Amino acid sequence: DAGVIQSPRHEVTEMGQEVTLRCKPISGHNSLFWYRQTMMRGLELLIYFNNNVPIDDSGMPEDRFSAKMPNASFSTLKIQPSEPRDSAVYFCASSFRDLGLAGGRLARHEQYFGPGTRLTVT
Amino acid sequence: EDQVTQSPEALRLQEGESSSLNCSYTVSGLRGLFWYRQDPGKGPEFLFTLYSAGEEKEKERLKATLTKKESFLHITAPKPEDSATYLCAVQFQGAQKLVFGQGTRLTINP
Repeated sequence: DAGVIQSPRHEVTEMGQEVTLRCKPISGHNSLFWYRQTMMRGLELLIYFNNNVPIDDSGMPEDRFSAKMPNASFSTLKIQPSEPRDSAVYFCASSFRDLGLAGGRLARHEQYFGPGTRLTVT
Repeated sequence: EDQVTQSPEALRLQEGESSSLNCSYTVSGLRGLFWYRQDPGKGPEFLFTLYSAGEEKEKERLKATLTKKESFLHITAPKPEDSATYLCAVQFQGAQKLVFGQGTRLTINP
């Protein structure tokens, strides 16, 4: 079974350009998360979706960042315009949230991560 | 503010030398604590979930334990292939998102 798929794996762009990162979650998962990882700040949650609906975008740095999930098998994270401080590794993760056990211990919330996209903005 | 702190930042061991990594958290209500392993250039790989104090999980040379304020990842007789960064993450009551610690970079020398 394929894991979380991200593309591209590496992206080098110039400041001011638009960048689009793509993610395909694990089939059957209904939650999707976008993270950013840097040496200084570690792994930070940017935004997450349940059933394709954005739930919490409080981690999105600013209006230059936007994320969409048009269907259960695809999501994008867009940065426009990009800046050098956006250079980082961006991870997508997915999980299965059992809505029938609303917060119960048996609900499985493990998140499975993709390989990441290393973004360099010059 | 809810926080997750891992220690030490880095740990270097000889092959076969057992040790423990620590993850402490300050949170009003814990829903779950997760351990991940991350190899260079890869995404975090899920290892364990712990839900309540006293719970333990094992996988090969790794054993994770949980108390009310911290979790330990015990590594018994480690091998060089256990070298990686180990991340812990906490999920709070009423929330779905995870808050990650900064990780412990573990190096096992042959």
